[in-house]
Formats: sequence, structure tokens, C-alpha cells
Amino acid sequence: GESVGLHLPTLSVQEGDNSIINCAYSNSASDYFIWYKQESGKGPQFIIDIRSNMDKRQGQRVTVLLNKTVKHLSLQIAATQPGDSAVYFCAEVEGAQKLVFGQGTRLTINP
Amino acid sequence: EAGVAQSPRYKIIEKRQSVAFWCNPISGHATLYWYQQILGQGPKLLIQFQNNGVVDDSQLPKDRFSAERLKGVDSTLKIQPAKLEDSAVYLCASSTHPQALADTQYFGPGTRLTVL
Repeated sequence: GESVGLHLPTLSVQEGDNSIINCAYSNSASDYFIWYKQESGKGPQFIIDIRSNMDKRQGQRVTVLLNKTVKHLSLQIAATQPGDSAVYFCAEVEGAQKLVFGQGTRLTINP
Repeated sequence: EAGVAQSPRYKIIEKRQSVAFWCNPISGHATLYWYQQILGQGPKLLIQFQNNGVVDDSQLPKDRFSAERLKGVDSTLKIQPAKLEDSAVYLCASSTHPQALADTQYFGPGTRLTVL
């Protein structure tokens, strides 16, 4: 069936650098995508979302880019901080509320 | 505002035993979800309730898993009998309205189940 996946399972960056986390999706009918952050021992936490009629959306220190031509999402985190260490998931929304999550990327911040 | 509460936080059982998880959603949230998150994977939806009715249980292994939300508030998820492959974190989430944007889903901390 359709699935949402990630290019890399792990990413290590220096504190203060920018991080880019990628995600590929396969359901061309999806019109809504979300990035979640999951810290150890906690449930996923909403970061930012984007609709398919947009190609970019910015939040506080985060930017999501959507390339529908190649079915690719990315999450950019500016000036990465130790508190950004977590697993990041992209999720595709099917129907009204059904979330289909990808595998996840673990982001590690080096001091 | 209190978040989604789940208990227990950890549970270890032997295969073929039974186990139950409890979830208390955010007050006033009509929609409740149970997800299974296997280590290294993203959460997978098991069942979605709207008040006390089931909206989607297409991915719930109904031969061994059951869930209820009798009064439209708290919910329990049961596994009977458990298998080794059921080892996972079971996440509960709630949201205000089923047709609202998905960012209204708030997740609890989860219950980590280990089946030996």
C-alpha cells in the first residue's frame, strides 16, 4: 500500500548548525503533511504542517518544504540546539484525521 | 491544561498472557486514538473513537486486540493473548473534532509493553 518513508535513519549535526531532515512520500493524492518530534519516553509532538497547495511554510526556527513533483518533504531546523535532539517523523494525513507516519530520523546534536 | 494520561507506563508480560492499557484523554476531546509504535518505526493507528463509537478499526488485529470507550471519555485497550510481536509502545491520542486539522491530535506518553 501507500507509505511514507524517510531517506536517512540518523543525522548528526553540530550545535548551532542548520539541520535538514528529509522525507519521501508515495501517495500522490495526499494533500496534507505534518512533521512531529518525539523525545525519548514521550509521545509525538506537532512541529509544523503544510498543505499540498503550498511549497514552503515557516515556523519558529523551522521550515517545511514540499516538492510535489518528486514527492519529497523536508524539515529545516535553524541554529540547532541540544533540545532539538529527538526522532523526527513526517506524517501524511489520509481522510479527515488518519495519520500515516514514516519510519523516523534520529537527530543528534554534537556540542 | 492536563495532557493525555496513560497507565501503566511500562508492562512486562509473558506470551499468551493478557494485558490492558488505560487512557484518559484531554477533557472535552471527543475523538480518541490508539496507536502501536514498534521500536524504530512510526506510530500505526489501531483504532479511532468518536465519543463512544468506533470510527476506524481497520488495522486492529481483532482476533487478539480489543478496545472500548464505554462512556465516551476514558478508554482501555486489551491484548489477549499477547504475542512476542506485540512488544511495542502503545500511544493514546485525543483531538477536539474528527474533521479538524490533524495538528489537534495530542499524544500521551505511551505504555511500553515487553512480551517475553
